[in-house]
Amino acid sequence: AQSVAQPEDQVNVAEGNPLTVKCTYSVSGNPYLFWYVQYPNRGLQFLLKYITGDNLVKGSYGFEAEFNKSQTSFHLKKPSALVSDSALYFCAVRATGGGNKLTFGTGTQLKVEL
Amino acid sequence: KAGVTQTPRYLIKTRGQQVTLSCSPISGHRSVSWYQQTPGQGLQFLFEYFSETQRNKGNFPGRFSGRQFSNSRSEMNVSTLELGDSALYLCASSLAELRNEQYFGPGTRLTVT
Repeated sequence: AQSVAQPEDQVNVAEGNPLTVKCTYSVSGNPYLFWYVQYPNRGLQFLLKYITGDNLVKGSYGFEAEFNKSQTSFHLKKPSALVSDSALYFCAVRATGGGNKLTFGTGTQLKVEL
Repeated sequence: KAGVTQTPRYLIKTRGQQVTLSCSPISGHRSVSWYQQTPGQGLQFLFEYFSETQRNKGNFPGRFSGRQFSNSRSEMNVSTLELGDSALYLCASSLAELRNEQYFGPGTRLTVT
């Protein structure tokens, strides 16, 4: 069985400061990892993914994520947060043999303040 | 390219009724997946269809069913609605290759009274 943990329900950061949203995963075999963002009353928007290759993945809107196999982590980062980044962020994992089923974490509410 | 569209966007039904939700994937996407989002259970996978065949199924009762048409459009049906079925139902589409990301529609907000 595959699972994802997002240990922080909420992360608060000041605009202009770096942000990190944490994610750890458990899966059999090699993982496909994803980050999505959800704004109120909207669906999920794809940010970035790790399939294979470089451990540092760059995505949309200046976000990046670092894959760490030994720590089974895939933390989302951004060097300088914007107020408009405030939203709900989800980490998801898909096992290579698991079809197209995504298993999501519980989500982390990011609040960026002036 | 148009994104994933879902209809209707909002729906209010009474306990015991049935409901059908529709999803049109991005053009060229042959895989369609459905998810249920609730405050208590979060995002949960319902099922996935590929080339009109169910390829994957989550842990939901048989009241939840779906199908996919030859044009890749998909429908999901919930019979004998329960209060606990109130949720945001999200549809996602992707290209056939499993390493590709899924693109989500805006969802259908179902309220069961």
